[in-house]
Amino acid sequence: TQLLEQSPQFLSIQEGENLTVYCNSSSVFSSLQWYRQEPGEGPVLLVTVVTGGEVKKLKRLTFQFGDARKDSSLHITAAQPGDTGLYLCAGEKSLPAARQLTFGSGTQLTVLP
Amino acid sequence: NAGVTQTPKFRILKIGQSMTLQCTQDMNHNYMYWYRQDPGMGLKLIYYSVGAGITDKGEVPNGYNVSRSTTEDFPLRLELAAPSQTSVYFCASSYVQTPGELFFGEGSRLTVL
Repeated sequence: TQLLEQSPQFLSIQEGENLTVYCNSSSVFSSLQWYRQEPGEGPVLLVTVVTGGEVKKLKRLTFQFGDARKDSSLHITAAQPGDTGLYLCAGEKSLPAARQLTFGSGTQLTVLP
Repeated sequence: NAGVTQTPKFRILKIGQSMTLQCTQDMNHNYMYWYRQDPGMGLKLIYYSVGAGITDKGEVPNGYNVSRSTTEDFPLRLELAAPSQTSVYFCASSYVQTPGELFFGEGSRLTVL
C-alpha cells in the first residue's frame, strides 16, 4: 500500500500569516491532487500536478510537486479565515482497469480572524 | 446539475442490521467510487466501478457490497453492521481520462451502536 503522510496534522494560525503543508511518500506517483474539505461537505479539488518539479499557483495558494514525484507542498500566503478547512493530498497510482487515488490523512487548518 | 447525490445524510444502525447507502450522479461519469473517512485517517477506498456492470474491490471492502446496474447509480450495501463501520461515507465520480477530478457527494454519516 502506498502511504501518503501529511504534516502537520493540525495547524492554527492568525489571519495574514503564511503557512506550508507537506505531503510525503516513499512511492512515486504519476500525479498528485490537493483537495479542500469543509465541514459537512465532500472534498473539492484545488489542483492537480503531474510533472516533477511543477509549480502551480491558485491566487494565494502555491502548489509544488517534488522533482522525484514522491512529495508535494502547499503554501498559503496571507491566510484568511475562508482558507479554514481540511486539506487532503491524493496520489494517483495506475492500474490496468481504473484510476485509484491514495489519500493522505489530511491537515486541519484553522485561520483565526 | 445536481452532481453527486447521496442519501441518507445521517443514519443510526444497531449491530447486525443491514442498510443501503444510495448514490447517484447526473454527469454521465463512467467511474464511481465509495470511500469511508475516519478521523485522522484520510479517505479509504471501499469499492469502485469503471462502468455499468463492472465493480471491483478497493482497499477496505470487507463487510460491504456494491452493484452498478446503470451509469448513474452506485449503491453501497452494508450487511450485518458492526461498530467498526461507524464512519462518514463518501461517493464520488470521475471522467475516464486521467488524471481526473473526483466529484464527491456531501457524505453519509453512519453510526452503528
